[in-house]
Amino acid sequence: DGGITQSPKYLFRKEGQNVTLSCEQNLNHDAMYWYRQDPGQGLRLIYYSQIVNDFQKGDIAEGYSVSREKKESFPLTVTSAQKNPTAFYLCATRPWGRNQPQHFGDGTRLSIL
Amino acid sequence: GESVGLHLPTLSVQEGDNSIINCAYSNSASDYFIWYKQESGKGPQFIIDIRSNMDKRQGQRVTVLLNKTVKHLSLQIAATQPGDSAVYFCAEAPPMYSGGGADGLTFGKGTHLIIQP
Repeated sequence: DGGITQSPKYLFRKEGQNVTLSCEQNLNHDAMYWYRQDPGQGLRLIYYSQIVNDFQKGDIAEGYSVSREKKESFPLTVTSAQKNPTAFYLCATRPWGRNQPQHFGDGTRLSIL
Repeated sequence: GESVGLHLPTLSVQEGDNSIINCAYSNSASDYFIWYKQESGKGPQFIIDIRSNMDKRQGQRVTVLLNKTVKHLSLQIAATQPGDSAVYFCAEAPPMYSGGGADGLTFGKGTHLIIQP
């Protein structure tokens, strides 16, 4: 989606290193999400945030951290505690209201050096 | 349809034919469902959605059918075109999501649609 920008498109992590993936949106959507996608798999929820300064763990939050200091931004940090970080990471947003679909950015592919 | 494992189910259709992609969802309490299309190296793109109080919804060249009795969704694509080649995911939303909460969606593993010329 044009209104959701993920950067960088490709990222490499060394052993023991933390890396941060950026997600910025100009859609004025309230809720933001991070998903992880492994080859041949569906998306799994890492973290989500409904409002600024509030976020909740998803199904696979271990080894990850997030912040939501601004409505427009929801960065994801992949920490050294995440032992298998190689994956495609997708950020999504959703407007307030009933039965609204999530809209996705074009992802960041993270690999281990 | 959806399956467990590392290999995506694949559906191969001739250009111009209709495609039907199936999905079994897991939570009988889910009351909002979405189909997404994902092209290689990109994020999922919204196609169509349906609420649980409906059993059919039509869009442009696409139709979604919902059978709550057997927890089954299908996506029908009419007159399939080369640009329809992609992986298609169904997603289900729990009641809290469809009521406005920020819970995440639960995604199936996807079906790879291949268009034969």
